[in-house]
Amino acid sequence: GAVVSQHPSWVICKSGTSVKIECRSLDFQATTMFWYRQFPKQSLMLMATSNEGSKATYEQGVEKDKFLINHASLTLSTLTVTSAHPEDSSFYICSARDHARQPQHFGDGTRLSIL
Amino acid sequence: SQELEQSPQSLIVQEGKNLTINCTSSKTLYGLYWYKQKYGEGLIFLMMLQKGGEEKSHEKITAKLDEKKQQSSLHITASQPSHAGIYLCGADPTSGTYKYIFGTGTRLKVLA
Repeated sequence: GAVVSQHPSWVICKSGTSVKIECRSLDFQATTMFWYRQFPKQSLMLMATSNEGSKATYEQGVEKDKFLINHASLTLSTLTVTSAHPEDSSFYICSARDHARQPQHFGDGTRLSIL
Repeated sequence: SQELEQSPQSLIVQEGKNLTINCTSSKTLYGLYWYKQKYGEGLIFLMMLQKGGEEKSHEKITAKLDEKKQQSSLHITASQPSHAGIYLCGADPTSGTYKYIFGTGTRLKVLA
């Protein structure tokens, strides 16, 4: 089945640091990748949608300059949390999809803790 | 905006019992997807339903989509502790859109 690899799985860093999370589709070409944030005991909150080679589309309320998304190839998207602060601590999950009639396949998530 | 209502919110069953989780939309869905999530992990894709009246099974899990394509159910037969987790339905609200709407999730606990 389709595999999406997300790295790292856990990050602990100091306030003010920038953190990069990678999301790779290993066995299919991901036309579209998604970045979600999940708070404890809540459902997924979509942050942004990215298409290969174009700018990401951010959901309302998500700061573009804070959460930088790059989708440089059909198999790789990155999310960079810039100048992270404790309120950015959360569980971030990516997913990838090859086209609209197929399911999204999810990475294992990244737990980000900002001290 | 379109939403997916999922019920029940949580469920505790004894091992060996059957159970059903429902996912309902106020509007016709283009595609319906079921996922399972364990706490602190990503989502595991279970099944995709796209046609009205469609039914799919994998091991002890069966998912159905009604004829109007507005309601789906996920049925687990003879539940086991390995079935425990959070079950989420996701849907394509309209043709051609790339992003899902998600249900609120059902937390399942199976007692050994």
